[in-house]
Amino acid sequence: DIQMTQSPSSLSASVGDRVTITCQASQDISNNLNWYRQKPGKAPELLIYDASNLETGVPSRFSGSGSGTDFTFTISSLQPEDVATYFCQQYDHFGRTFGPGTKVDFK
Amino acid sequence: QVQVVQSGAEVKKPGASVKVSCKAPGHTFTSYAFHWVRQAPGQRLEWMGWINAGNADTKYSQNFQGRVTITRDTSATTAYMELSSLRSQDTAIYYCARERLGYCDTIRCHQRAFDIWGQGTMVTVSS
Repeated sequence: DIQMTQSPSSLSASVGDRVTITCQASQDISNNLNWYRQKPGKAPELLIYDASNLETGVPSRFSGSGSGTDFTFTISSLQPEDVATYFCQQYDHFGRTFGPGTKVDFK
Repeated sequence: QVQVVQSGAEVKKPGASVKVSCKAPGHTFTSYAFHWVRQAPGQRLEWMGWINAGNADTKYSQNFQGRVTITRDTSATTAYMELSSLRSQDTAIYYCARERLGYCDTIRCHQRAFDIWGQGTMVTVSS
């Protein structure tokens, strides 16, 4: 099974800050990597698919990059509604795996 | 706004089974796959398995092999997840997530993502 790791596990930032989260796969997954935001008490929502594609309707302050085993997710200007946990998720023929999540809150 | 709607909270005793439903919009039901993902308190999201709503093919996580069964009813545009031999560690929120199927070439598939999630179903296992 492909294992996913994320860093940091949590971070604190201010409104307007640039926030970066990394995700690493245990083996090459090409660009089969998605990013989700999960607000407290809510279901996750898709932000980025296939490593760098912005989902329809998602604000452009969210972006993603990477390929192979190393991926990066960025919020260019943190907004109050971005207080949440962010997960990466890989997909392959065998199944789906999520990263442990990065909790983002305000300083 | 497109939604998938899950059935309500359940309380079960150890050893029992639980069946959770997930109703999706009708006209495109068979064009998607439906996955089940659970989240125990303070834990990461854990993938359980999926069903292709078009052809009913299923695949399950080895962590749940033999205990989980995923089915669908195309006339009701509903997917189901049944988990048996429940234990206290199965206490979690269970999510249904719709996955668009994208396309596949000879090496891998592309543009697969959970684009819509259900609201979650809390399953509590307690004696």
